[in-house]
Amino acid sequence: KNEVEQSPQNLTAQEGEFITINCSYSVGISALHWLQQHPGGGIVSLFMLSSGKKKHGRLIATINIQEKHSSLHITASHPRDSAVYICAVQGAQKLVFGQGTRLTINP
Amino acid sequence: NAGVMQNPRHLVRRRGQEARLRCSPMKGHSHVYWYRQLPEEGLKFMVYLQKENIIDESGMPKERFSAEFPKEGPSILRIQQVVRGDSAAYFCASFASGGGTEAFFGQGTRLTVV
Repeated sequence: KNEVEQSPQNLTAQEGEFITINCSYSVGISALHWLQQHPGGGIVSLFMLSSGKKKHGRLIATINIQEKHSSLHITASHPRDSAVYICAVQGAQKLVFGQGTRLTINP
Repeated sequence: NAGVMQNPRHLVRRRGQEARLRCSPMKGHSHVYWYRQLPEEGLKFMVYLQKENIIDESGMPKERFSAEFPKEGPSILRIQQVVRGDSAAYFCASFASGGGTEAFFGQGTRLTVV
């Protein structure tokens, strides 16, 4: 079993829909990161969480430390949100990445 | 602050040549991580370095791969005698300290071995 599991692996939605991507992990962590990667592009850090909830524009990230679970939400989704979203957990020595969720938003 | 700088962005090497990938971390960051992303796969940890020290190289192939982060200058990931299977995107990330601080990623170096 992977240390970090994301779901769903692929998600297609219509513009305007509310999007949720989930991340579960099985190891102790000091922080959890949500990252965005566009096709052929670099990686952008969206959020770093160690507890609670953070909001940036239309993006919201939450984490439940007891349940070892985090969610990334996108409100009023737009085609430019189409990308791979990656959850990464930070332990003592390294980041461990989930496999990513490929999100496609159709106009 | 120009962020994490990786160069070159694209690198083409013939089989058997050496590839040198450079990563200049954010100013003031002393922790660097290297990751590899094979085509259609997720990111995999390779090595974690602090200035002049290798902290964790458990993700590095035992042969042909080496990494360093000298006191001055960028971190270098070196691949000797490249093979087609080394073709991938190599990303580095820098942190101010080892845990619980924000990660900043470079744009990656896309290595193609022909």
